[in-house]
Amino acid sequence: EPEVTQTPSHQVTQMGQEVILRCVPISNHLYFYWYRQILGQKVEFLVSFYNNEISEKSEIFDDQFSVERPDGSNFTLKIRSTKLEDSAMYFCASKQTGARALFGPGTRLTVL
Amino acid sequence: GNSVTQMEGPVTLSEEAFLTINCTYTATGYPSLFWYVQYPGEGLQLLLKATKADDKGSNKGFEATYRKETTSFHLEKGSVQVSDSAVYFCALSEENYGGSQGNLIFGKGTKLSVKP
Repeated sequence: EPEVTQTPSHQVTQMGQEVILRCVPISNHLYFYWYRQILGQKVEFLVSFYNNEISEKSEIFDDQFSVERPDGSNFTLKIRSTKLEDSAMYFCASKQTGARALFGPGTRLTVL
Repeated sequence: GNSVTQMEGPVTLSEEAFLTINCTYTATGYPSLFWYVQYPGEGLQLLLKATKADDKGSNKGFEATYRKETTSFHLEKGSVQVSDSAVYFCALSEENYGGSQGNLIFGKGTKLSVKP
């Protein structure tokens, strides 16, 4: 079965720095998502993306966050100025119409 | 708003014991229901799903039945193995059958430890 991939697997950054988390969704999928999971807590929806624009976002997804699909294959999540509380696992997912979402393995972001 | 409530963990069982992890939901429409599993050090994997009332999802010996009357989707397995040790997440998705959304709402997760 095709897989969603994410890079890097672990990102360590200093508070205030910008980070870009990368995802390669399944090639024929049309809907893309970012979720995050703070250690020991539940998985939280951040944003969904369809037809080259954000279709829905949660309260967590503030002005510090942005998403982009720069080249038709990658789907990126940028955090402009990281905070300690941004430390979490970030999961990318993609899906086709009417089908289930497939999740990537996650990127662990550690903000020091 | 929509929400998912799972039983608190951790749950510790001996091998071959019976497992039940309770999950109830609140939704305005007719959601699809899912169980995801997260093995240590790995990402989320879909374990099973049910898309309408009375559907039973099953996979790897796990089962869950979509009960609309009790708004529940409890996960069960008759005989757990050490390899089932993981965190289990109940989730719902209010699919728009125009195909646009389907973002998932997760429960807090229940950690299962199976001892030999």
